[in-house]
Amino acid sequence: DAGITQSPRHKVTETGTPVTLRCHQTENHRYMYWYRQDPGHGLRLIHYSYGVKDTDKGEVSDGYSVSRSKTEDFLLTLESATSSQTSVYFCAISESTSGDLYEQYFGPGTRLTVT
Amino acid sequence: GQSLEQPSEVTAVEGAIVQINCTYQTSGFYGLSWYQQHDGGAPTFLSYNALDGLEETGRFSSFLSRSDSYGYLLLQELQMKDSASYFCAPSGNTPLVFGKGTRLSVIA
Repeated sequence: DAGITQSPRHKVTETGTPVTLRCHQTENHRYMYWYRQDPGHGLRLIHYSYGVKDTDKGEVSDGYSVSRSKTEDFLLTLESATSSQTSVYFCAISESTSGDLYEQYFGPGTRLTVT
Repeated sequence: GQSLEQPSEVTAVEGAIVQINCTYQTSGFYGLSWYQQHDGGAPTFLSYNALDGLEETGRFSSFLSRSDSYGYLLLQELQMKDSASYFCAPSGNTPLVFGKGTRLSVIA
């Protein structure tokens, strides 16, 4: 299994509070991703990173920010959590020599509940 | 833009064969990936087709037709443990975009 962990695994927070989720990898992969998964919506990309300090937005980036100061860590921050951000968050990593990013390894997920 | 179509649910009998179809529209297409996700678990990579035709990995096979923007995942000798959600994802040099997935229920 790819060495990828997420913390915390579960979190309950109140509306309006900031929340930071951490993704840590030991594979030295260049690409890292944050997805959210909600019933009826599948997996949706929030933000991704293609190197240290290099990040870009996905399809559902509003209300989220990310940072990557080291190859192994990718942080997802909810500046002011809302109930609509209650979800399961997955981090994923990938590497490619051909440029084709077809194989991703996923972390175990973080279940976030905003009350 | 990008679009993906998969059936939302499929039910099949243990020991049978099931095919999960995927049609896509995307730019910068390299190939088609498939992922499996059990309830409560994380998605895991199953297979990848870069070329037209059938790729076989044990009980699972995946097919791609680039000209038709179509692919499918074929699961043979279904087992109860195959009950899961299956996602197709067109790949390229940008992050994978997953559809809503197909929930497969295997019944006795």
